[in-house]
Amino acid sequence: EIVLTQSPATLSLSPGERATLSCRASQSVSGYLAWYQQKPGQAPRLLIYDASNRATGIPARFSGSGSGTDFTLTISSLEPEDFAVYYCQQRSNWPPITFGQGTRLEIK
Amino acid sequence: QLQLQESGPGLVKPSETLSLTCTVSGGSISSSRYYWGWIRQPPGKGLEWIGSIYYSGSTYYNPSLKSRVTISIDTSKNQFSLKLSSVTAADTAVYYCARQGIAVAVFYFDYWGQGTLVTVSS
Repeated sequence: EIVLTQSPATLSLSPGERATLSCRASQSVSGYLAWYQQKPGQAPRLLIYDASNRATGIPARFSGSGSGTDFTLTISSLEPEDFAVYYCQQRSNWPPITFGQGTRLEIK
Repeated sequence: QLQLQESGPGLVKPSETLSLTCTVSGGSISSSRYYWGWIRQPPGKGLEWIGSIYYSGSTYYNPSLKSRVTISIDTSKNQFSLKLSSVTAADTAVYYCARQGIAVAVFYFDYWGQGTLVTVSS
């Protein structure tokens, strides 16, 4: 099973700042990695798939990069609605599909 | 607009079987372009994939749960279902159903239900 490790666990930033979230895989997942955003009491929302493709309706301030074992989600300028928990997910050679443990992005 | 809605008991006794159904509206579950999956999230914790099913009935399960999980599909009702046997308190979670594309955003979860909390307790 491929283990995804996200860092940091919590990121404290202010609106307008740039956020950089990391996801590291225990073995190569090629480019088969997605990012999700989850707000309290809501289902996750797909932001990025295949490492760098924005899902439908996702603002351009969200971008993804990486391949192999190291991936990054960048939010170029934080809006108030961006403060949430973010999860990465891999689908390389599934099953199983696995998720990272999450990064909480909080307002500083 | 595609919508998914989970339904089923919110309380299950230990050792019994958890049963949930996901009803899909605004689209056909019989489409060859999608898989349909179950994901769960214990309170305050992360996401765990349980398993997925194709319209043909082909299934993929998380090896950690495979011995206890059955996912089935009813195309006539536009529904798919989850059964998890021999539950314990560790199975207490919000259970989500979701869609996985096979043409775009392949095998990622692009539409989700709102989730339903299932508590395992006597």
